[in-house]
Amino acid sequence: DIQMTQSPSSLSASVGDRVAITCRASQGISKYLAWYQQKPGKVPELLIDAVSTLQSGVPSRFSGSGSGTDFTLSISSLQPEDVATYYCLGYASGPTWTFGQGTKVEI
Amino acid sequence: EVQLVESGGGLVQPGGSLRLSCAASGFTSSNYWMNWFRQTPGKGLEWVAHIHPHGSQIYYVDSVKGRFTISRDNAKNSAYLQMDSLRAEDTAVYYCARSPHTRASDYWGQGTLVTVSS
Repeated sequence: DIQMTQSPSSLSASVGDRVAITCRASQGISKYLAWYQQKPGKVPELLIDAVSTLQSGVPSRFSGSGSGTDFTLSISSLQPEDVATYYCLGYASGPTWTFGQGTKVEI
Repeated sequence: EVQLVESGGGLVQPGGSLRLSCAASGFTSSNYWMNWFRQTPGKGLEWVAHIHPHGSQIYYVDSVKGRFTISRDNAKNSAYLQMDSLRAEDTAVYYCARSPHTRASDYWGQGTLVTVSS
């Protein structure tokens, strides 16, 4: 099974900072990488699918990049409403899906 | 408006069974894979199972194989998760979600809490 290693596990940054979260797959997953945001007490929401496709309504300060085994979620200018835990998800057409361990982002 | 509503959670003793239901509305469920995820309180997310739009492919995480069964009824726009031989470590909030073919899950329900305890 594919393992997803996400880092850091937590980070604290200031409003306006650029933030990056990385996710490494144990084997190549092509474009099958998504990022979710989960605010405290809320349901996870899909931010980015297929490595870099921003979902409708997601602010443009969020972006995704990478290929093969190494992927990055970037927030260009951190805002107070971005406080949340972020998860990467490695998925493929059919078999097992695996989340990263999560990154808690604080201001 | 796309909606997914889970039901069937509750308190069950170890070794017991529960059947979770997921009622879908606002879209044609037969066009989507249906997924189940779970999240232990205070912990991370875990994919549990998913089923092809017409039920021809089914996959499970290793920890629930042989104990959980995912199914769907497209005529009722519903998906189900039959959970047998429940263990304390199955305690979690269970979410159903939909995913387009070869894409990640884009809509999730609000979740239903399953507590396995004596």
